[in-house]
Amino acid sequence: GEDVEQSLFLSVREGDSSVINCTYTDSSSTYLYWYKQEPGAGLQLLTYIFSNMDMKQDQRLTVLLNKKDKHLSLRIADTQTGDSAIYFCAENSWGKFQFGAGTQVVVTP
Amino acid sequence: EAQVTQNPRYLITVTGKKLTVTCSQNMNHEYMSWYRQDPGLGLRQIYYSMNVEVTDKGDVPEGYKVSRKEKRNFPLILESPSPNQTSLYFCASSQGQGRTDTQYFGPGTRLTVL
Repeated sequence: GEDVEQSLFLSVREGDSSVINCTYTDSSSTYLYWYKQEPGAGLQLLTYIFSNMDMKQDQRLTVLLNKKDKHLSLRIADTQTGDSAIYFCAENSWGKFQFGAGTQVVVTP
Repeated sequence: EAQVTQNPRYLITVTGKKLTVTCSQNMNHEYMSWYRQDPGLGLRQIYYSMNVEVTDKGDVPEGYKVSRKEKRNFPLILESPSPNQTSLYFCASSQGQGRTDTQYFGPGTRLTVL
């Protein structure tokens, strides 16, 4: 079947903006999420967006949703070294979650 | 402190020896879920539970069992573990169906099946 897809790696300079992209599978999914995983830890919810929204901004994070293309992106403004982690997008259909493989973000000085 | 606990954190076992990984949450959450994380595959949902005595299959339920006899606990049972079940396992919980509610993750259980 189809998978939630993400690019696997992103390198970004400290202070620049990061953009992580994701394509999801289920047009009936009502909620889409971005999670962050730091080494040796579980996942931490960063933000979510309801499927009838196009954009959501939360401090340094901006989520864009293109429902036609089933495309979700996460922009991190002014990326810091503490933003180095794996970022997962996920979709939720009535309690059943599907996650992407994760994007490893490395922030360089 | 609000938390999801899993035990054991690390386990090495042999093929066919039944094991249980426990998961407990102290937040009175209705929704609980088990995931496995494998390199390059992200997290895949094994089973989830909307409430006591209600469980549903995720994407990869084969070889696993769960039960939800009480709200706080959601054990994952491997009746006859096989090497392809070597993985990092996470339990998670949230108040609702994990929609706008934060899904709290446990610290993970690293399982190796020889």
